Order: sequence, then C-alpha cells, then structure tokens
Amino acid sequence: EVLLQQSGAELVRPGSSVKISCKASGYTFTDYYMHWVKQRPEQGLVWIGRINSANANTVYADNFKSKATLTADKSSNTAYMQLSSLTSEDTATYFCTRGGKYDYWGQGVMVTVSS
Amino acid sequence: DIQMTQSPSSLPASLGDRVTITCRASQDIGNYLRWFQQKPGKSPRLMIHGATNLAAGVPSRFSGSRSGSDYSLTINSLESEDMAIYYCLQHSEYPLTFGSGTKLEIK
Repeated sequence: EVLLQQSGAELVRPGSSVKISCKASGYTFTDYYMHWVKQRPEQGLVWIGRINSANANTVYADNFKSKATLTADKSSNTAYMQLSSLTSEDTATYFCTRGGKYDYWGQGVMVTVSS
Repeated sequence: DIQMTQSPSSLPASLGDRVTITCRASQDIGNYLRWFQQKPGKSPRLMIHGATNLAAGVPSRFSGSRSGSDYSLTINSLESEDMAIYYCLQHSEYPLTFGSGTKLEIK
C-alpha cells in the first residue's frame, strides 16, 4: 500500500524557518518525483515545486524560488521541504503528492506562523 | 504560465441532479488534465486523469470530457457524499496550475 506520511503541525515565529517531511512507503521512492502543494486556510491549491527523488533535480514555481527548498533522502525514502523567512502569508497546509498520476497525497502539514 | 479558468465557483445542487464543472486552459495542454475532490480537512482525492479517465475506486457517476480547451467534470445523480470542492490541475508544463475550485453544495 502506498503511503505518504507527513510530519506534524508546526507553530513557528515570523522570520524563522521550518523543515517538514514526507516519508514514502509502498513503492520505489526513486521511481517518482515528489511534488509539494500549498493551501492557505479556505483557499485553493497552489503548486510549489517538485523534486526528482532519484537525482535531486528540482523545479520551483516562481513565487517559491526564494521561499522553498526541496530535498530528498533516498536512504530513508523521505522528501523534505524547508520554508524560510516565514511570514503570515506562509500560514497554510502543505501537502506532498507523488508525481505521475498525483494519486497519492500526504495528510498535510499545518504550518502556523505567529509570534 | 498556463491559466486554468474554472467555473462556476459555487454550485448549489440537489441530490439526484446532474452537474457539470468546467476548466478552460489558456494554452494547449492536450489531455494533461486531472480533477480532484477535496473535503474539509482532507487531502485532495484524484477523480479523473488524462482528462477523461476515471481514477481507481471512483464511482461511475463521475466522468470527464474535453472540447477543445474546455475540460469538464460531470457528476450524474448527485449523492450527499459528492458535496465537496473540486479542482482541475494542468500538468502539461511547469509550473503546474490548478483551477480556483468549485464548491458543490446542497441547494
């Protein structure tokens, strides 16, 4: 069974950084890209970027090029996203989803930026 | 960037109705179009892939179609469990872009 298990909710201070994870199981991690999607409260879905899990090649949406950093650890089948210089605009739920069919999604990580 | 213009934003409907949601692509995306259903507090669920193909486990009352740059999701005989927000996604080219969502609710 394919599972994407994301890390827990985060409460972080403005100006700080946060790193969230997405642990994959049930398939060969390096066979699929991992994509990340942002959803602000009561808002729509926004694509952040993707990482090639095999060679760490990344593609980002323009709005996230200086905000998000995607990495992947093949030894633990885990993808990571670090968000930097956090502001209230970054308060959102962040999802990982397996590339290809986008048929498997993590449960989402709620990141709250507040002082 | 490819813009996906989704309509309507809100769709009141009655149980048993047939409803259609549409996304219009600003550029050619071929059949690189997927539909997702999202319920409150949940992750998106893939409903349609390749514009017209039903995803695994999705009830047959859901269907997808294409006419030129217009892509539609149709639900026949609405059931209460279908009340949710629906999004289209183009994955023809980067950046991937979603439609703005359609909230399907009981009239």
